[in-house]
Amino acid sequence: AQKITQTQPGMFVQEKEAVTLDCTYDTSDPSYGLFWYKQPSSGEMIFLIYQGSYDQQNATEGRYSLNFQKARKSANLVISASQLGDSAMYFCAILNSNSGYALNFGKGTSLLVTP
Amino acid sequence: EAGVAQSPRYKIIEKRQSVAFWCNPISGHATLYWYQQILGQGPKLLIQFQNNGVVDDSQLPKDRFSAERLKGVDSTLKIQPAKLEDSAVYLCASTPPGLAGGEQFFGPGTRLTVL
Repeated sequence: AQKITQTQPGMFVQEKEAVTLDCTYDTSDPSYGLFWYKQPSSGEMIFLIYQGSYDQQNATEGRYSLNFQKARKSANLVISASQLGDSAMYFCAILNSNSGYALNFGKGTSLLVTP
Repeated sequence: EAGVAQSPRYKIIEKRQSVAFWCNPISGHATLYWYQQILGQGPKLLIQFQNNGVVDDSQLPKDRFSAERLKGVDSTLKIQPAKLEDSAVYLCASTPPGLAGGEQFFGPGTRLTVL
């Protein structure tokens, strides 16, 4: 079964600084996909970035990049130039190929951006 | 394009009562997911539909939870009778056809409080 571990319950970062949110995963699938979602206090889940296991390059989307280290089974999210609006919960997720490609989520990391 | 719609946004009930949630996915999206998100945790899949068929309901507590997607469009999730531990946010998500394993688009969620 696929599993996601996020070990940082909470993180602080100062505005305009970069921050890394950790994510490790466990899967026996040879091919898999990894996602990061942002959940503001309003509750909706917002897609940030996707990394396929066979992608040669690390994914990037604007200020978001994914530091994908396949051998270490880690998929850390890097947010550059943090903004106050980045304060939210961040969830790492892996596709569960055993259940029609639903997502298995980690417990999340709460990020607070301070002025 | 309209997003995933859910109603109600909030619901408060007493234990042993019944409750129903409604979800209307993005037009044309064949796959629909219901997730349960307990406070402090990541979302957990309850049930996945492909058109009007169930793909995975292995984590749905079938003694009290039921879900349907009769015409392959909108879906209803019901809890009968509710327990205190059902207090959670219920998230609906959808993906377009032919995009298994792709980005899931989430609705705003229904926050259920069971007293």
